[in-house]
Amino acid sequence: NAGVTQTPKFQVLKTGQSMTLQCAQDMNHEYMSWYRQDPGMGLRLIHYSVGAGITDQGEVPNGYNVSRSTTEDFPLRLLSAAPSQTSVYFCASNWAGDGATEAFFGQGTRLTVV
Amino acid sequence: GENVEQHPSTLSVQEGDSAVIKCTYSDSASNYFPWYKQELGKRPQLIIDIRSNVGEKKDQRIAVTLNKTAKHFSLHITETQPEDSAVYFCAARASGGSYIPTFGRGTSLIVHP
Repeated sequence: NAGVTQTPKFQVLKTGQSMTLQCAQDMNHEYMSWYRQDPGMGLRLIHYSVGAGITDQGEVPNGYNVSRSTTEDFPLRLLSAAPSQTSVYFCASNWAGDGATEAFFGQGTRLTVV
Repeated sequence: GENVEQHPSTLSVQEGDSAVIKCTYSDSASNYFPWYKQELGKRPQLIIDIRSNVGEKKDQRIAVTLNKTAKHFSLHITETQPEDSAVYFCAARASGGSYIPTFGRGTSLIVHP
């Protein structure tokens, strides 16, 4: 049971390049989400998904796209990287429902846009 | 939507002292309040949580309290140790809807030996 797996762990992009951050979970969680973490700003929600085929925007969605074709995978796409997207990105997953609790995080991707 | 405020942003204590981190939330529908610890370079991990039908929960040296009327909850760490040094995040999550938690901005706890 690997939990939530994110790749890559580090990435440097040039302004204007595109890339996809991968996220996979093996816990059969309905909910998956992407956060970015910047100093002093906490964890800000980018996009989330409540199940395969269903996605929605979070607090800071601009410049990012997501899709959820399977329960396991939730990739995050940067369409045209900008220096303001330099950040640490975390993918997370959790069960739905009142009895469901903990959000499990991936190991993070440190992205630098130059 | 939900808004979670967390204070202080930085907390420096001596080993053995107690540490308290406070959070407030805005959505009265929130009913689940987890706390996460993030060590340097690592992912956030759940350390304790509390539900709205409980006022206090303890787990060894850590405890959480919840005041639903005032919409605030706190993390208490007693007998702090250097390995408690980390960033702590509070979060709030409502019943129904997206079940996605809203996080506070984090508190950097530094425990001096």
